[in-house]
Amino acid sequence: ETGVTQSPTHLIKTRGQQVTLRCSSQSGHNTVSWYQQALGQGPQFIFQYYREEENGRGNFPPRFSGLQFPNYSSELNVNALELDDSALYLCASSQGTGTYEQYFGPGTRLTVT
Amino acid sequence: DAKTTQPPSMDCAEGRAANLPCNHSTISGNEYVYWYRQIHSQGPQYIIHGLKNNETNEMASLIITEDRKSSTLILPHATLRDTAVYYCIVRPGLNNAGNMLTFGGGTRLMVKP
Repeated sequence: ETGVTQSPTHLIKTRGQQVTLRCSSQSGHNTVSWYQQALGQGPQFIFQYYREEENGRGNFPPRFSGLQFPNYSSELNVNALELDDSALYLCASSQGTGTYEQYFGPGTRLTVT
Repeated sequence: DAKTTQPPSMDCAEGRAANLPCNHSTISGNEYVYWYRQIHSQGPQYIIHGLKNNETNEMASLIITEDRKSSTLILPHATLRDTAVYYCIVRPGLNNAGNMLTFGGGTRLMVKP
């Protein structure tokens, strides 16, 4: 059974640019959640996708957007990057949207200069 | 969602039991207690969860007080590899939109030889 994978591992972007991060969910999982983790803090929920539809969103501006594909993999897109967007971006997959455990990938480290 | 309170850090001797407390005095009847941990530079890892009864799995035991206002995660024989930040999370049991994990600051557990 393949776990959650994310790409790229590390990324450096310039303020104002756009970025796309990718996540492949664990086999059999139809739900993907994205989190942002700033240095020294706990992860903060960005949004969740269930069967290709957004199924809840945290307190993040519209320039954070996402997609989920028919194979349940997902993308996180961030437009007009700001310095404060520098963080570890984590995706987690689960079997559904209820009390199922969420299994996290290793994350993508984004640095905005 | 109910807020959790955890000590910011704890030490434990290798081979001894690590007992990590969590206060969730505002927990409501349909909310579960989840524990995750995050080893440095990795994504969070699910440990265990429970509603009312004590739970045990191959990683840990979860003891929930009768009034459900606090809980304790027990690692019975801590090893150096258990050094991590441990997050106690209260999560609705309903299949509501998002059903995200709300991470606080966690407890940084240092297992020492």
